[in-house]
Amino acid sequence: SQTIHQWPATLVQPVGSPLSLECTVEGTSNPNLYWYRQAAGRGLQLLFYSVGIGQISSEVPQNLSASRPQDRQFILSSKKLLLSDSGFYLCAWSVLPGGTGELFFGEGSRLTVL
Amino acid sequence: AQKITQTQPGMFVQEKEAVTLDCTYDTSDQSYGLFWYKQPSSGEMIFLIYQGSYDEQNATEGRYSLNFQKARKSANLVISASQLGDSAMYFCAMRGHTGGGNKLTFGTGTQLKVEL
Repeated sequence: SQTIHQWPATLVQPVGSPLSLECTVEGTSNPNLYWYRQAAGRGLQLLFYSVGIGQISSEVPQNLSASRPQDRQFILSSKKLLLSDSGFYLCAWSVLPGGTGELFFGEGSRLTVL
Repeated sequence: AQKITQTQPGMFVQEKEAVTLDCTYDTSDQSYGLFWYKQPSSGEMIFLIYQGSYDEQNATEGRYSLNFQKARKSANLVISASQLGDSAMYFCAMRGHTGGGNKLTFGTGTQLKVEL
């Protein structure tokens, strides 16, 4: 069966520090991968998605970047964090064509920038 | 552009009663998919139910059903026989067919509280 893991689960970082969140998927190949952010009490905002290795699409201009060095690995990064980067980050995967295209989410990473 | 609107920030329901969570959508796509997710306080997103725009029957999954009214562009989630464990945030989402990547657009969510 397919599983998705992301880490770290929680982190507190000072403004201006770097960030690296990692996500890996097991049990499937060539998935679509996504990074969403959820601000406190808000809905989910799509940040990046990837349909293959090295292929990254950015949805919102921002202080973050994403990379996909391997088929089932997706990394969210920042060189210098801002206060506004605080939030709950969710990695997800899906497979199309076939199926309904629902997203399967990881456990989430809660980032607090101080 | 696609848009999902959930107008109920919070809802209360008594245990064992049914509850309807509202969702309206806007899209220019002819083919699209509608999803509902549950987010407990732990933060994980749990897929509940899916409705395709060409599906003639409303989707059902156990105690969850989706009241799909295409002409009204609504996709309300109905939870029957509510349980205390249903207390969570619920998100409606849509997948269109313009562009690539199977992207889902989410609404702002409805916080459901089930009471004794």
